[in-house]
Amino acid sequence: DGGITQSPKYLFRKEGQNVTLSCEQNLNHDAMYWYRQDPGQGLRLIYYSQIVNDFQKGDIAEGYSVSREKKESFPLTVTSAQKNPTAFYLCASSMTSGGAQYFGPGTRLLVL
Amino acid sequence: GENVGLHLPTLSVQEGDNSIINCAYSNSASDYFIWYKQESGKGPQFIIDIRSNMDKRQGQRVTVLLNKTVKHLSLQIAATQPGDSAVYFCAETYDKVIFGPGTSLSVIP
Repeated sequence: DGGITQSPKYLFRKEGQNVTLSCEQNLNHDAMYWYRQDPGQGLRLIYYSQIVNDFQKGDIAEGYSVSREKKESFPLTVTSAQKNPTAFYLCASSMTSGGAQYFGPGTRLLVL
Repeated sequence: GENVGLHLPTLSVQEGDNSIINCAYSNSASDYFIWYKQESGKGPQFIIDIRSNMDKRQGQRVTVLLNKTVKHLSLQIAATQPGDSAVYFCAETYDKVIFGPGTSLSVIP
């Protein structure tokens, strides 16, 4: 079964805590992306990676960090510097940069 | 700046009727367009795509039309079913992908 998975489905963060969202794909895609979705708004790009060991900031990178040590994995860390982290986080991948993006099921992050 | 927008934020359709969801884009250099369907609490699902060298593309019960003259994209859903209820949004690609905010489609049984 090929696809893109995200875990956990729900994540709770305490104030001052860093949390990491997992994203894994077995589609052999080179490019991976992280988006944030807030109610009634379009997707906003946080970070993207076109190839292993390389990534670039998106439109709203402040308070987030990523790594791309393996082709199939692109974890996102929401740091304590992100003051409004409550949102639905979506990971996506594409064969190449600019190609059709396929999304995971999402992780909903809530602040305690 | 460049953006992708939708003409109608909400759309209600009777079951069995055809649905048309519209999208306007502003970057005439965009060469690849995608429609996504997003059900509540789930990730967006790829529906259909079209490249700028085409005017029309058909899938199963869905058709995408591209009018480059007026920079307009539409998604037509034939014989709309309750399972089609979702938010639909378009995306345009030039050097990066820009997503529109979405149109909520509600199917009335």
